[in-house]
Amino acid sequence: NAGVTQTPKFRILKIGQSMTLQCTQDMNHNYMYWYRQDPGMGLKLIYYSVGAGITDKGEVPNGYNVSRSTTEDFPLRLELAAPSQTSVYFCASSYSGEGEKLFFGSGTQLSVL
Amino acid sequence: DQQVKQNSPSLSVQEGRISILNCDYTNSMFDYFLWYKKYPAEGPTFLISISSIKDKNEDGRFTVFLNKSAKHLSLHIVPSQPGDSAVYFCAAGRISGSARQLTFGSGTQLTVLP
Repeated sequence: NAGVTQTPKFRILKIGQSMTLQCTQDMNHNYMYWYRQDPGMGLKLIYYSVGAGITDKGEVPNGYNVSRSTTEDFPLRLELAAPSQTSVYFCASSYSGEGEKLFFGSGTQLSVL
Repeated sequence: DQQVKQNSPSLSVQEGRISILNCDYTNSMFDYFLWYKKYPAEGPTFLISISSIKDKNEDGRFTVFLNKSAKHLSLHIVPSQPGDSAVYFCAAGRISGSARQLTFGSGTQLTVLP
């Protein structure tokens, strides 16, 4: 059972470039999330989805876009990369989202130079 | 405004002794608390949770204590083992809410010395 899988694990971008962080889960979870973690800070929610076709903004959505065409996949798009987006990105999922524990992927370390 | 604070960035403990990790929160609406553990190059994994109707929850070597009046929770690990060396995050939310409302602390790096 793979759980939550994120790709790539590492990426370096130049300012202004675009990229998509991939996330897929095989637990048939309805809820999926994208978090970012900056050094010395807690995880902050970027976007979340409560099911296929439904997404909503979290605490720090600016500079990002998401889509949820299937239950399994929840890609995160960076359109014009900025140094402020240098961070570790975690994808997570949960079954119902009601006070329930999250299952996290192993993260993507992104540097924007 | 950090609603969930872990004021100790790091903690070192001798193997076999007790590890106590602390977490404070400011939002009185929080009624559900979780601890996550994170190893390097891995995502956080759920460790233990507690709801506000309890003041203690145990799972093996791990016990979480909740002091609602002080808005404080702590994670006790007894006895500590070298494999417990990791970053520990506390998170707070509402049982009736959704996981999108979880607020995370900044983490405490625990090092268990052999």
